[in-house]
Amino acid sequence: DAGITQSPRYKITETGRQVTLMCHQTWSHSYMFWYRQDLGHGLRLIYYSAAADITDKGEVPDGYVVSRSKTENFPLTLESATRSQTSVYFCASSEEGQGAGNTIYFGEGSWLTVV
Amino acid sequence: AQSVTQLDSQVPVFEEAPVELRCNYSSSVSVYLFWYVQYPNQGLQLLLKYLSGSTLVKGINGFEAEFNKSQTSFHLRKPSVHISDTAEYFCAVSFGFQKLVFGTGTRLLVSP
Repeated sequence: DAGITQSPRYKITETGRQVTLMCHQTWSHSYMFWYRQDLGHGLRLIYYSAAADITDKGEVPDGYVVSRSKTENFPLTLESATRSQTSVYFCASSEEGQGAGNTIYFGEGSWLTVV
Repeated sequence: AQSVTQLDSQVPVFEEAPVELRCNYSSSVSVYLFWYVQYPNQGLQLLLKYLSGSTLVKGINGFEAEFNKSQTSFHLRKPSVHISDTAEYFCAVSFGFQKLVFGTGTRLLVSP
């Protein structure tokens, strides 16, 4: 029961470089999410996807791009990394959306440092 | 405005002592309430949730929470904590059918 797998778990990159964080889930959940976790802010939603080829912006989408060509994969790309994007990124999934009492299942996180 | 507040950023407590982690929210619509726990270097996992019915909800690892509609609170409690309960705890509120908002988290530090 692998659940949600994120890669890489740890990444250091330079300002201006493109970085892609991968996310793979084995539950066939319809919804997938990307959150970032920062001290003092808790978790903030970056993007989410209701199904393959359907994505939508969350609270903090600027500087990020997502795609979902297959139900099980939901990569997050930082097109030109900035220091303010240094954070811990969590991929998550759920059977339904993030509202109405549905449980969200999280991956173990990707620690990204932009220098 | 819809918001979630966890006033305590850190709560130190001795092993076997009781603990309460506070969560308040503001909302004009119906809510669903969650507590998630994050152990060091791991993702979040669901501790418990309130959807409807009894306002006292029991979760995993001996935790429980009580929904108080008049005070718009959903405080998390455990009568006797263990070292292994050291973690970060996030309150989350689902406002209606759309939005899920996380609090800023409370770090529970249990010492012997």
